[in-house]
Amino acid sequence: NAGVTQTPKFQVLKTGQSMTLQCAQDMNHNSMYWYRQDPGMGLRLIYYSASEGTTDKGEVPNGYNVSRLNKREFSLRLESAAPSQTSVYFCASSERGQGPNEQFFGPGTRLTVL
Amino acid sequence: GESVGLHLPTLSVQEGDNSIINCAYSNSASDYFIWYKQESGKGPQFIIDIRSNMDKRQGQRVTVLLNKTVKHLSLQIAATQPGDSAVYFCAETLSGYSTLTFGKGTMLLVSP
Repeated sequence: NAGVTQTPKFQVLKTGQSMTLQCAQDMNHNSMYWYRQDPGMGLRLIYYSASEGTTDKGEVPNGYNVSRLNKREFSLRLESAAPSQTSVYFCASSERGQGPNEQFFGPGTRLTVL
Repeated sequence: GESVGLHLPTLSVQEGDNSIINCAYSNSASDYFIWYKQESGKGPQFIIDIRSNMDKRQGQRVTVLLNKTVKHLSLQIAATQPGDSAVYFCAETLSGYSTLTFGKGTMLLVSP
């Protein structure tokens, strides 16, 4: 099992460009999450999907949209990138509703917006 | 290297020492806690968890202590090794909720 995979690993955008970060998990998990990580800020939740067909805002959703394409895939879209969105983005998944909520993380996408 | 370590509290230890990493959590109603380890350039990795009905839980070389009175978690690593060098995060949640709230992290540096 690959666990949680993310593409691309690195990306450089110009201000105003758009892009989609892809995430897939092969653990049959119900819940998926997108976080951003900035120096000294820890992990902040952007959006999550508690189950297929639902999405909810997290702590920092502005400037982002998400799509839960199916149970395996959860994408994050930046419609008009801004320098403030330079960050490392992590996708995670978990088996909701079965006790402890351990989340499994992907390797991250390092995004720079110029 | 990964820039996530900038401005983080740092604990420097010698190989073989025991390490203690502390975390103050925010929500007194939280009833489930996790410690994650993040190595440079990688995603966070689960280390150990604890429920609020326990005050101590042991794993392999790691022990988590929970003090609900003062909303404090600690992670103890026995016989610390250079491979333990990483950023360590605590996370909290309420059972039945999907989302975790993460602390800002502590960088552990282990010198040979």
